[in-house]
Amino acid sequence: QKEVEQDPGPLSVPEGAIVSLNCTYSNSAFQYFMWYRQYSRKGPELLMYTYSSGNKEDGRFTAQVDKSSKYISLFIRDSQPSDSATYLCAMIRGSARQLTFGSGTQLTVLP
Amino acid sequence: DTGVSQNPRHKITKRGQNVTFRCDPISEHNRLYWYRQTLGQGPEFLTYFQNEAQLEKSRLLSDRFSAERPKGSFSTLEIQRTEQGDSAMYLCASSYHDRGEKLFFGSGTQLSVL
Repeated sequence: QKEVEQDPGPLSVPEGAIVSLNCTYSNSAFQYFMWYRQYSRKGPELLMYTYSSGNKEDGRFTAQVDKSSKYISLFIRDSQPSDSATYLCAMIRGSARQLTFGSGTQLTVLP
Repeated sequence: DTGVSQNPRHKITKRGQNVTFRCDPISEHNRLYWYRQTLGQGPEFLTYFQNEAQLEKSRLLSDRFSAERPKGSFSTLEIQRTEQGDSAMYLCASSYHDRGEKLFFGSGTQLSVL
């Protein structure tokens, strides 16, 4: 079983919809949680970074962490066609230097 | 700040050949990482440098793989005697020493082994 599980999708939504992306993890040692966006043939780009349980908002993006359930989410409000990409969750143990990624969810926002 | 730069963007090689990739990190970043990503999967950690010291290597990194970061600036990743299973996107990332959890990735080198 992988340490980080992510539904691969694909997920297709109409423009303006609210998108919910999720990951679960098994290792309670993970302390930092990130969401990366990856466009086709590009490297991942850091979108959101959180440390503690709770919500963090940045523009149309909200990251949510529930450490008790080992569950993290990314919400995208008013989704745009330019949001079409693969979204990767990632996490890291406090003393480690390596990120553990989910497999990514492919999102398409239809105009 | 021009971001993390990787060369070449694409590499096609025959099985058994050696290949070398280069990564130029963001200039102020002293940490540098190599990851490998296959289709439909997230990136997997390969190795990590702090300045010129290679501090961590994944078990994924067989003895055919070697990475260097002379003088703590650019890094090279060499794969000897390539195999078809080495076909993947090789990603380089860098970070500040005290913000090690915030990685900035390059666009990667896509390797195809025929």
